[in-house]
Amino acid sequence: KAGVTQTPRYLIKTRGQQVTLSCSPISGHRSVSWYQQTPGQGLQFLFEYFSETQRNKGNFPGRFSGRQFSNSRSEMNVSTLELGDSALYLCASSLAPGLAGLSTDTQYFGPGTRLTVL
Amino acid sequence: AQSVTQPDIHITVSEGASLELRCNYSYGATPYLFWYVQSPGQGLQLLLKYFSGDTLVQGIKGFEAEFKRSQSSFNLRKPSVHWSDAAEYFCAVYTNAGKSTFGDGTTLTVKP
Repeated sequence: KAGVTQTPRYLIKTRGQQVTLSCSPISGHRSVSWYQQTPGQGLQFLFEYFSETQRNKGNFPGRFSGRQFSNSRSEMNVSTLELGDSALYLCASSLAPGLAGLSTDTQYFGPGTRLTVL
Repeated sequence: AQSVTQPDIHITVSEGASLELRCNYSYGATPYLFWYVQSPGQGLQLLLKYFSGDTLVQGIKGFEAEFKRSQSSFNLRKPSVHWSDAAEYFCAVYTNAGKSTFGDGTTLTVKP
């Protein structure tokens, strides 16, 4: 079965722009979590969705938002991009809800979207 | 506030040798504990987790971890390392405050 798909894989934006990243979970999975990974801040939990509801949100400013659709696909949006938003953005899916992005059951990660802000 | 410390930024072991990666947490109660591995070609993967019960937890790929409450530690071990284990390893905690925190990671290099 197909794995977790993230699009686009690479993205270059300039400061002040906004960006939308997409994550398609494994078929049947209703839980999607998002993470930001940077050399300076490491791996950080962004938000978690289950059945179109945001269950938990990490410590990020309101410029970071997300949503989940009825088919479980999820998008995250970052508005007014800053240089510090340059990162690898990962998403993961699982059958059951997680714990602020940490899995209570088998969890599958996508390859990530590499965002560069110039 | 909760925190997770992985004291070793980089560890090098010879193939076939045993491995122990350290993880210490700071939290008032016992959190839920996790270990993840991130390989360049494989992405991020959950190795094992501890919620309660037996303090020795078995995971995938031959890894195990032991929770020691007295030391606030959850160290990851493997008896015999394979070259394919070279990767970055992350410890993470979840607390009943609804927050998760990842450690900064330990990069494992395996010498032939």
